[in-house]
Amino acid sequence: DAKTTQPPSMDCAEGRAANLPCNHSTISGNEYVYWYRQIHSQGPQYIIHGLKNNETNEMASLITTEDRKSSTLILPHATLRDTAVYYCIVREGGGSYIPTFGRGTSLIVHP
Amino acid sequence: NAGVTQTPKFQVLKTGQSMTLQCAQDMNHEYMSWYRQDPGMGLRLIHYSVGAGITDQGEVPNGYNVSRSTTEDFPLRLLSAAPSQTSVYFCASSYPAGGLDTQYFGPGTRLTVL
Repeated sequence: DAKTTQPPSMDCAEGRAANLPCNHSTISGNEYVYWYRQIHSQGPQYIIHGLKNNETNEMASLITTEDRKSSTLILPHATLRDTAVYYCIVREGGGSYIPTFGRGTSLIVHP
Repeated sequence: NAGVTQTPKFQVLKTGQSMTLQCAQDMNHEYMSWYRQDPGMGLRLIHYSVGAGITDQGEVPNGYNVSRSTTEDFPLRLLSAAPSQTSVYFCASSYPAGGLDTQYFGPGTRLTVL
């Protein structure tokens, strides 16, 4: 699987958009980008995933560059409850797969 | 659905004791896995299972055993607890819909080994 690089920490003002970057320069054509987050002391929670196109759901948007070497998770209107560690994972579609998690980005949303 | 449940929530053991962490899911998911998370660290995969009767090792399997006799349950056994096993343990399950599975995590078990 392609490795990912994320900044260790970021902060954002409440109500503003939080843009969390992820570098995956060795990603291959059949690998997807997944995002999870972990709010303090809880189990990780799935947010969104995508292959090539930009994706949006009720939680966030995932913007992927045309060469697919990097992506950005966007929380359009961050709230204090979005304070969490965000994990970017790259994995192949299909087959048996259990993801491994790195250290992620610690996002702090402040008033 | 209750989702993924884990028991106990907290546990204190003495070095050398054994115990089983319980994990159950009611979503009929094929895949189940165990992770541990140490302070300030990401999650590390201990063992996983892609179906009843099938298990495999993850990144840090030493000192742990698993079995999967039913789809619903995936217990993690600590054979002889050591202080290095003090951690938070998360169980997860997923169903590979078209190969694009998303994982559901339990609330965690906080284990301290003295």
